[in-house]
Amino acid sequence: DAGVTQSPTHLIKTRGQQVTLRCSPKSGHDTVSWYQQALGQGPQFIFQYYEEEERQRGNFPDRFSGHQFPNYSSELNVNALLLGDSALYLCASSLYRVGYEQYFGPGTRLTVT
Amino acid sequence: AQRVTQPEKLLSVFKGAPVELKCNYSYSGSPELFWYVQYSRQRLQLLLRHISRESIKGFTADLNKGETSFHLKKPFAQEEDSAMYYCAYMKTSYDKVIFGPGTSLSVIP
Repeated sequence: DAGVTQSPTHLIKTRGQQVTLRCSPKSGHDTVSWYQQALGQGPQFIFQYYEEEERQRGNFPDRFSGHQFPNYSSELNVNALLLGDSALYLCASSLYRVGYEQYFGPGTRLTVT
Repeated sequence: AQRVTQPEKLLSVFKGAPVELKCNYSYSGSPELFWYVQYSRQRLQLLLRHISRESIKGFTADLNKGETSFHLKKPFAQEEDSAMYYCAYMKTSYDKVIFGPGTSLSVIP
């Protein structure tokens, strides 16, 4: 089991563009959470998906949206990119009933120019 | 707002010295508290959970509800303890995880 995988590793986009990041959870996990980690800060919770529905959401604008597929993999979409969206985006998977034990992916580094 | 504070961004200790990484949270209920760790070139991973009350890699953490603190301690630091440590909490088992800003621990040989 490769654990949580994310793609792409790095991404450079221009302001105003849209981006899609992808995440495959650890085998056996049913829940995916997304985090934004700016330089020098801790991960900030964006949202969580379980049973293909958004279950929890952090303090992020509607420009941030997501999806979970029947195979539990997930996408994070960000529209109308701003310079401030530049960050490391982390995906974490878990079992819904054991939400504290999150397994993190390596992250996608997004740079907005 | 739910918050976790870690007052030290950087902490340096000598090998064999005691280490304490501080964490305070702002929630009046009974949260679940955790410490996550990220070693160099590795992924963020769960270190310990307050409910389990176990010692992991020699680290322990005591929940003080009166002071809303959850400090991480180890009596004798080792070089391999050098890492980024994040305090985190959840209001309930099904809630989102809120992370603190992190403390970078450097153990000097």
